[in-house]
Amino acid sequence: DAGVIQSPRHEVTEMGQEVTLRCKPISGHDYLFWYRQTMMRGLELLIYFNNNVPIDDSGMPEDRFSAKMPNASFSTLKIQPSEPRDSAVYFCASSLRAGAAQETQYFGPGTRLLVL
Amino acid sequence: SQKIEQNSEALNIQEGKTATLTCNYTNYSPAYLQWYRQDPGRGPVFLLLIRENEKEKRKERLKVTFDTTLKQSLFHITASQPADSATYLCALDMMDSSYKLIFGSGTRLLVRP
Repeated sequence: DAGVIQSPRHEVTEMGQEVTLRCKPISGHDYLFWYRQTMMRGLELLIYFNNNVPIDDSGMPEDRFSAKMPNASFSTLKIQPSEPRDSAVYFCASSLRAGAAQETQYFGPGTRLLVL
Repeated sequence: SQKIEQNSEALNIQEGKTATLTCNYTNYSPAYLQWYRQDPGRGPVFLLLIRENEKEKRKERLKVTFDTTLKQSLFHITASQPADSATYLCALDMMDSSYKLIFGSGTRLLVRP
């Protein structure tokens, strides 16, 4: 398996523009997570899905952020409009179905976002 | 409030020595704890998981301990190598029925040849 795939790997945009980050989880994994990592705040969970359904979006910072998972092999995280403080590395992770939360998470390589 | 603390200062050791990293938490009673490794420009990679009823877990040169009384986990790398240089993150479950992990800020390990 190729692992979790994210695109683009790098994104530079101007304030006010829409940004869309993409993720393909590992085939067969039922859980998908979106994280944001910054020096100041570390790795923060934004939202996660189970079987394509959003379960917890309490980490989404503002209404400018939205995430979708139209099918088991694809998810997007959208920021509209983007702001300089959104600059960070965004990770997607997936994990196998499990009865409890002991399953390890497999992370993608991340998208480094810079908003000017 | 709930808090996870890892030493923000880099740990600098000589090759061959044992590296020990600390993860402390407050206002948590996690059922399990995980350790991840993160290299620059890459996503975290899972290393070990230890449950609250386990005192110690080993995998090759890695050893993790979990002291629920002290609210602390120690992560050891024996016979360290320069290739072990990376940032190491601990992660705890949220104590609820959710599927969420809370990550510490990580400790950077530098192993000198």
